[in-house]
Amino acid sequence: GQQVMQIPQYQHVQEGEDFTTYCNSSTTLSNIQWYKQRPGGHPVFLIQLVKSGEVKKQKRLTFQFGEAKKNSSLHITATQTTDAGTYFCAGGRPYNAGNMLTFGGGTRLMVKP
Amino acid sequence: NAGVTQTPKFRVLKTGQSMTLLCAQDMNHEYMYWYRQDPGMGLRLIHYSVGEGTTAKGEVPDGYNVSRLKKQNFLLGLESAAPSQTSVYFCASTHPGLYDISAQHFGDGTRLSIL
Repeated sequence: GQQVMQIPQYQHVQEGEDFTTYCNSSTTLSNIQWYKQRPGGHPVFLIQLVKSGEVKKQKRLTFQFGEAKKNSSLHITATQTTDAGTYFCAGGRPYNAGNMLTFGGGTRLMVKP
Repeated sequence: NAGVTQTPKFRVLKTGQSMTLLCAQDMNHEYMYWYRQDPGMGLRLIHYSVGEGTTAKGEVPDGYNVSRLKKQNFLLGLESAAPSQTSVYFCASTHPGLYDISAQHFGDGTRLSIL
């Protein structure tokens, strides 16, 4: 079945440093979504990428979808303490009845003030 | 402005007991999902539903059953709880769409411990 791997599993950064998490799928994806989960909270949708090579920005966050639609990345510039949490990528399969997503294992970001 | 509501929020069961987790959404979403979240493993899909009266198996369906008798409600049942089912359970919902933004909206989760 489809597998989505995410690295690194954990990342400690000093406030102001940059951060990147990478997501790789074993199969071609129709779309990829990114979610953020704070400790004790629930996943919250950040963004969806659909097109090959697509790049989207949300303030200090930059999301990329690979040309082959099998990988993605999330880059945060100049991290702030409010960026702390776990970031999940989730891939959708082509011809997917039910809009099912396969989630990566997540990258937990810890930001030291 | 409730969104997705899960009950209960916490529960402790003994091995072999049964229980039902309730998920309710007020966004008129067609699709609903049940996930379990275990440390380091992300979210794994248990069962899902594409509409009232329909359900389908996800990645890890064994030991669970579901029902969607009403569009707004999606129930997850554990017939005979096992310690391996200790986890945090999340319900989510979304609307259909291939290229529309089909963000999944999650409930606050149910923390379930099986002793």
